[in-house]
This record gives sequence, C-alpha cells and structure tokens, in this order.
Amino acid sequence: KQEVTQIPAALSVPEGENLVLNCSFTDSAIYNLQWFRQDPGKGLTSLLLIQSSQREQTSGRLNASLDKSSGRSTLYIAASQPGDSATYLCAVIETSGSRLTFGEGTQLTVNP
Amino acid sequence: DVKVTQSSRYLVKRTGEKVFLECVQDMDHENMFWYRQDPGLGLRLIYFSYDVKMKEKGDIPEGYSVSREKKERFSLILESASTNQTSMYLCASSFPDRAGYNQPQHFGDGTRLSIL
Repeated sequence: KQEVTQIPAALSVPEGENLVLNCSFTDSAIYNLQWFRQDPGKGLTSLLLIQSSQREQTSGRLNASLDKSSGRSTLYIAASQPGDSATYLCAVIETSGSRLTFGEGTQLTVNP
Repeated sequence: DVKVTQSSRYLVKRTGEKVFLECVQDMDHENMFWYRQDPGLGLRLIYFSYDVKMKEKGDIPEGYSVSREKKERFSLILESASTNQTSMYLCASSFPDRAGYNQPQHFGDGTRLSIL
C-alpha cells in the first residue's frame, strides 16, 4: 500500500529565506505527483503537478522536483513571504487509477 | 477557473440523523471524490465516482454512501451519523487521466461537520 511521508511536519522561517519541503513515497509506480496548499479552515489549492516522466515543474517562486526511482519530491520556495504561510501537502496518483494518496503535510510559518 | 462548491461550510447534526453533504462542480469533470481530513490522519478517500451513476469505495467507506445522478453533482450521505464522523469533509473533481496527459484534482472549500 502506498505511503506518503512529509518532512518536516512544521517549519518556521524568517521572511526572505529560500526553503525546501520534502515528500517521499514508498511505491515508485506513480502516475503523477501533485503539490497543494491549504490555508487554515479552507480547502486545497493545487500548486504544481509533475507527471511521472518529468523531473521538475516551476510556477513563479515555486519549483517542484521529482525523483521517481528514489521515491522523492521536493518543493522549493524562493524568497519566502508571510503570505506563503500555510500547510503544504503532496499527493501521488498511482498508475492503477485516479486516487490520490496524501502526505500529512508540512505546516509552514514565514515570520515578517 | 474551475469551481467546486460545497453546499455548507459548517454543519451541526445529532447522532442518528441522516446527513447529506452536497458538492457541485462547473467544469464538466467526469471524476469526483469525497475525502475526510482529520488531525494526525491526513486526508483519506471515502468514495469516488468516474461517471454518472458510477461509484467506487475508497479507503474508509463504512458508514457512508454516495449518489451521482448528474455529472456535476456528487452527494455524500451519512446514513446514521455518529460522533466519530465529526470531521472536515472535502470534495474534489478532475478530468480523467489520459495517456501522457495528467489532470490535477480541484478541491472545494470543505464542510466542517460536527456530530453531537
């Protein structure tokens, strides 16, 4: 059964820092990997989707990489801002279907 | 912009009641999903649907059922609500994944359900 782990569980950084969030998954037979952002009490907002054949995707200050063979993905946030404070979740879809398996998330706080 | 709308942001019900959670999407997505989110357990899939009148069990279907009579609407039903069903419920939708073209899932804002 696929398991997704995110480290660290929580992270607090000063504004302006570059930071990396980590995601690992146990079964490398994935179709794609998706990073989401969740603000307190809200739903999930899709940030980036990386197909299994890709190695990275970029959107503005966000860059996500995927190493399928080692079962790892990272989300890089450049020049962090207080508005980036949220919980970041990664999720994988296995080749067997459209079901997402989620990690528990990293709660990020960016201090002014 | 894709919009997934859940009918209630907050809901309070009593044990034993039959509870309906509604979700509507406006992008003609075939796939729709219901998750619940609990501290320490993350998001877990309850049920999903690939098309009208089709449904598949997720990881935790016990105590729940679903209905998909129209493509844009996916309802989650708690047959007889219990206190352990107090949770945040999230609906999502997507196009099907086609070879070489993956589709992201889009989420609603969630319904925080309390069962007293």
